[in-house]
Amino acid sequence: QKEVEQNSGPLSVPEGAIASLNCTYSDRGSQSFFWYRQYSGKSPELIMFIYSNGDKEDGRFTAQLNKASQYVSLLIRDSQPSDSATYLCASNVGGGADGLTFGKGTHLIIQP
Amino acid sequence: SAVISQKPSRDICQRGTSLTIQCQVDSQVTMMFWYRQQPGQSLTLIATANQGSEATYESGFVIDKFPISRPNLTFSTLTVSNMSPEDSSIYLCSGGDSGANVLTFGAGSRLTVL
Repeated sequence: QKEVEQNSGPLSVPEGAIASLNCTYSDRGSQSFFWYRQYSGKSPELIMFIYSNGDKEDGRFTAQLNKASQYVSLLIRDSQPSDSATYLCASNVGGGADGLTFGKGTHLIIQP
Repeated sequence: SAVISQKPSRDICQRGTSLTIQCQVDSQVTMMFWYRQQPGQSLTLIATANQGSEATYESGFVIDKFPISRPNLTFSTLTVSNMSPEDSSIYLCSGGDSGANVLTFGAGSRLTVL
């Protein structure tokens, strides 16, 4: 059974601080990991994907993967009120060629 | 990344009827996927739409309830058959390629079944 676990939150972070979002997964066969942002009433928007152990940075976002611990995280630096959304962690085996298993999402609130 | 268009964007349907959702991609993609997002929940994969062959369904989803077509590499449809209020949900289409790392989503189709 493939499962992706996230704390549903809400996670409240002051503006300008670092928001840390965490995710664990059960399927050791998972190879690809994705972070999506979803605003209320909108479809998910891909923020980052990561395949290799370690860190991957893109602007204010850093994804971290530890396959040994089956743990993925997303750090958002200099958090802005516009970052307030639900963040969905997802995994699959085959990258773009495979459907995704999603976590329930973490509701992030950035307080001005 | 591919741009995905879905229609209808929303609909209100009567119990027992069926509705077909269309998904159009602006470029050829190897894989297309259909997801359901029930109110307040995350996304659940319904099936993978395979071009030229039957769709591959996830556990808990069956072809009779959710027939899928994939006539070419840019288009797919999902039909929600014999609808009940429990089918009220957002249905989302996604596409991707084995060579591309990005899986983008359509805007979704919000179904309300009365």
